Amino acid sequence: DAGVIQSPRHEVTEMGQEVTLRCKPISGHDYLFWYRQTMMRGLELLIYFNNNVPIDDSGMPEDRFSAKMPNASFSTLKIQPSEPRDSAVYFCASSVLGGSTEAFFGQGTRLTVV
Amino acid sequence: AQSVAQPEDQVNVAEGNPLTVKCTYSVSGNPYLFWYVQYPNRGLQFLLKYITGDNLVKGSYGFEAEFNKSQTSFHLKKPSALVSDSALYFCAVRVVSNDMRFGAGTRLTVKP
Repeated sequence: DAGVIQSPRHEVTEMGQEVTLRCKPISGHDYLFWYRQTMMRGLELLIYFNNNVPIDDSGMPEDRFSAKMPNASFSTLKIQPSEPRDSAVYFCASSVLGGSTEAFFGQGTRLTVV
Repeated sequence: AQSVAQPEDQVNVAEGNPLTVKCTYSVSGNPYLFWYVQYPNRGLQFLLKYITGDNLVKGSYGFEAEFNKSQTSFHLKKPSALVSDSALYFCAVRVVSNDMRFGAGTRLTVKP
């Protein structure tokens, strides 16, 4: 398996624009996580899905952020409108099961909002 | 709510010396604990995990971690550090809620 695949790797956009980040989890994995990494706040869990259903979105910072998982092999994280403080590295991760199983991370998307 | 704490932002060690990266956890219930490593401009890579049983867990690249229930700790260790071990290390916890929470990270620098 190719691992968790995220696209794009880098995104530069202007403030106010819509940004969509994409993730393809490892085939057969039931859990999908979206994280945001910044120097100030570290690695924050934004939302996670189990079997394509959002379980906990309490980490989503504002209504400008939304995430979907229309099927087992694809998820998106959308920011609309984007702001400079959204600049961060966004990671997607997936795991086979919950509890004792480790999560596998994608390479991340580095988002810069100017 | 579950959480982990990494009390040290930075750990410096000389090559060949033993290293320890500290992690403490706070959960209600039995924890599943993980260590990950992140190299520059890369995603997190899984190193090892504690589920149950033996308190000393061995993982990738010669790393090991010791689970201590009384001290609620899960420290990462390696007997002999390499310069190539220099990276950012994260401790994480997962419980029945199934979400995975990470510590703030510890930057390990191994000097020749």
